[in-house]
Amino acid sequence: GENVEQHPSTLSVQEGDSAVIKCTYSDSASNYFPWYKQELGKGPQLIIDIRSNVGEKKDQRIAVTLNKTAKHFSLHITETQPEDSAVYFCAAFYTGNQFYFGTGTSLTVIP
Amino acid sequence: DAGVTQSPTHLIKTRGQQVTLRCSPKSGHDTVSWYQQALGQGPQFIFQYYEEEERQRGNFPDRFSGHQFPNYSSELNVNALLLGDSALYLCASSLWPSDTQYFGPGTRLTVL
Repeated sequence: GENVEQHPSTLSVQEGDSAVIKCTYSDSASNYFPWYKQELGKGPQLIIDIRSNVGEKKDQRIAVTLNKTAKHFSLHITETQPEDSAVYFCAAFYTGNQFYFGTGTSLTVIP
Repeated sequence: DAGVTQSPTHLIKTRGQQVTLRCSPKSGHDTVSWYQQALGQGPQFIFQYYEEEERQRGNFPDRFSGHQFPNYSSELNVNALLLGDSALYLCASSLWPSDTQYFGPGTRLTVL
């Protein structure tokens, strides 16, 4: 099956700085890579996703990049704000199979 | 537009008991997936239901079973509860065959 590794496990940044979270996957058949944000006591919220035919996708302060050759993808958050503090999960998926999640990154934005 | 809803919010059971968790998918969705999330871990896939049938299953024992109803809502049943079953159980819905999933708030199960 798929194996998704996520780094770092914890990340602290000053408000206004950028944050980058990286994930690697093992199955070259994976073709869909969503990112979820999970706040304390809540379910994961889809924040951005990318498919294997695209190298980069951006939505306001959030962007995701995908390197299929190296089998890794990254989440970039610019101009971080205190409300960005949460646990972020990456996942990898290919059609007809199941989602495999990373182990999560706890992001703290220091005001 | 109603999102994914789950009930109950919290549940406390003792070892050996059975539990049923419920999920209503997001409006317009027809596929429900269940996940187990242990403390400090990412969600782990249990199974997925579409057209009232189990379509995929993760690495979970037969004690975990499910059902999907004609209105697309779903139940997760766990028999013979173990202490290790304590976790947040998440339901996610999607529109078949799309892989974009939206999660509910989860049910926190504590097994004593």
